[in-house]
Amino acid sequence: QKEVEQNSGPLSVPEGAIASLNCTYSDRGSQSFFWYRQYSGKSPELIMFIYSNGDKEDGRFTAQLNKASQYVSLLIRDSQPSDSATYLCAVNSPNSGYSTLTFGKGTMLLVSP
Amino acid sequence: DVKVTQSSRYLVKRMGEKVFLECVQDMDHENMFWYRQDPGLGLRLIYFSYDVKMKEKGDIPEGYSVSREKKERFSLILESASTNQTSMYLCASSYGTKGQPQHFGDGTRLSIL
Repeated sequence: QKEVEQNSGPLSVPEGAIASLNCTYSDRGSQSFFWYRQYSGKSPELIMFIYSNGDKEDGRFTAQLNKASQYVSLLIRDSQPSDSATYLCAVNSPNSGYSTLTFGKGTMLLVSP
Repeated sequence: DVKVTQSSRYLVKRMGEKVFLECVQDMDHENMFWYRQDPGLGLRLIYFSYDVKMKEKGDIPEGYSVSREKKERFSLILESASTNQTSMYLCASSYGTKGQPQHFGDGTRLSIL
């Protein structure tokens, strides 16, 4: 059974701090990794994707991938109250033969003013 | 931008009714997906389709069926609605076969009375 694990939180950080969200996955063959943001009552919104080991930066967001450790993280710099949401980690399932993703249950982030 | 449109934002139906949830995407994506999302259980894949008239069972297909007569449209059918099918239903689409990102519609919050 393919698994994607995230700490459910809530992770509480003050405004302006760096928020660090973590995710581990079980399928060593996974090649595509995604972070989605989901506000309460809304649908998931793609914010980052990463395919190669290392870091990928996009504005205040940095995704980090370590395939050897089967670990992917999302850093949010200069956190804002508007970043308060649940963050879902998703990983592709290559052995299924289809373009399916396995989602973690999400980490709730709370940014206090 | 990818646009995935779900026909209803909120829907209330009665037990035993046949319920249709419709989803349309405008990006010529091959793959379409139906999920349900419940508190504490995360996103669970019900059915997906990788081509017109093709369908594959996800993790929780029982009590559901799907139809994909046209590439842009993917319908989820609750054959005889039950109260345990009260949930948020999310449609998503993606292209390709190598784990490209999925893009979600706004979701349908379905209540079965």
